[in-house]
Amino acid sequence: QSALSQPASVSGSPGQSITISCAGSRSDFGNYNLVSWYQQHPGKAPQLIIFEVTERPSGVSNRFSASKSGNTASLTISGLQAEDEADYYCCSYVHSPAYYVFGTGTKVTVL
Amino acid sequence: QVQLQESGPGLVKPSETLSLTCTVSSSSVRTHYYWAWLRQSPGMGLEWIASVYRSGDTYYNPSLNSRVTISIDTSKNQFSLTMTSATAADSAMYYCARIRVTSSGYGDSFDIWGQGTKITVSS
Repeated sequence: QSALSQPASVSGSPGQSITISCAGSRSDFGNYNLVSWYQQHPGKAPQLIIFEVTERPSGVSNRFSASKSGNTASLTISGLQAEDEADYYCCSYVHSPAYYVFGTGTKVTVL
Repeated sequence: QVQLQESGPGLVKPSETLSLTCTVSSSSVRTHYYWAWLRQSPGMGLEWIASVYRSGDTYYNPSLNSRVTISIDTSKNQFSLTMTSATAADSAMYYCARIRVTSSGYGDSFDIWGQGTKITVSS
């Protein structure tokens, strides 16, 4: 299984919205809507910000939203803030056999 | 809140076996979650290594399957990873994490992470 494809970098000005794509094959996503997204600040562990394609864990800002269409998942950050500057990774769970494949990662820069 | 703490040797010699332990606090490994090890090489992305359930059922990344063993010790509230025949390519930050379980019973995402332990493979 190869990594899911994400743009290496995305940038935006404060207040703007940006979208990060996560592309794979049909086998990467399977028939399950089990895509998650993680935010990772430098020197820190990743943090779950989206699970089951569109769901936000308690405490995660509603400025983060996500979707999936076909073999591409997307994460949108609205009202971009300086604290959003981080690396973002998508991840897909595939069943039988159980397997997790991550995206290549996207560095978000707030201009 | 639930916390995970990795422990490991820091430095491993090439061809030796790497052993890591994750201690879970404020929760039990007997709960309805999966538990996992992941790693991240310097400047690189994330890689899932293996997962284990409270029953002892294990799941492995096929690219590492032959060298890796994950286990769970409910009496110590820990789970562990051993990786044989270490090489420089195994140098990375190793994270343990909890996997949340969906209503359908699938372990879909890593909802709690340890802070990570850095492993260097070098003579």
